[in-house]
Amino acid sequence: GDSVTQMEGPVTLSEEAFLTINCTYTATGYPSLFWYVQYPGEGLQLLLKATKADDKGSNKGFEATYRKETTSFHLEKGSVQVSDSAVYFCALSDPNQGGKLIFGQGTELSVKP
Amino acid sequence: EAGVAQSPRYKIIEKRQSVAFWCNPISGHATLYWYQQILGQGPKLLIQFQNNGVVDDSQLPKDRFSAERLKGVDSTLKIQPAKLEDSAVYLCASISTGTGINEQFFGPGTRLTVL
Repeated sequence: GDSVTQMEGPVTLSEEAFLTINCTYTATGYPSLFWYVQYPGEGLQLLLKATKADDKGSNKGFEATYRKETTSFHLEKGSVQVSDSAVYFCALSDPNQGGKLIFGQGTELSVKP
Repeated sequence: EAGVAQSPRYKIIEKRQSVAFWCNPISGHATLYWYQQILGQGPKLLIQFQNNGVVDDSQLPKDRFSAERLKGVDSTLKIQPAKLEDSAVYLCASISTGTGINEQFFGPGTRLTVL
């Protein structure tokens, strides 16, 4: 079945460092791809999404490009802030399967001042 | 616009006891999901409702878990009897349409600890 694999955490960076969190997926169809973020003590929030190959999702300085040839959707940010400390989840959704989300295991990011 | 509401936020029970969680989705959202998030893992779908009908319950442990969505609005997830491995955060999410790439809105979750 469909699955998502993320790089393991935790990831610790200094403020203003460059961030990459790797995400690869396996899917039989043509899924949409998402990054969700979970800040401490809060619920899951959609960070960005891409619905087809070569689409780039972006929000709050974060970007991710849907790469069908490498089945990847890596999350990047050029300069992280302490407020970006959170757990990041990569996920996919197949519209032909009711839209349910299949999540990776999450990557915890800690940004130090 | 009010978000997805869940209660209680925290629950501690002993194994073999029963427990129920409640979810109130965003007004007008026809599709409702329950996910289980075990510590250190991503959420996993338990059950999906479209209005008051079940769309997908293939991952629901039906010997102990049950869920209903009467009148197509609020939903209740029940565990009876609970096991230690049921300790997790139970997340409710809703979207406005039944399929596709619309954003799922998540509630804050209910953290269940089974002792």
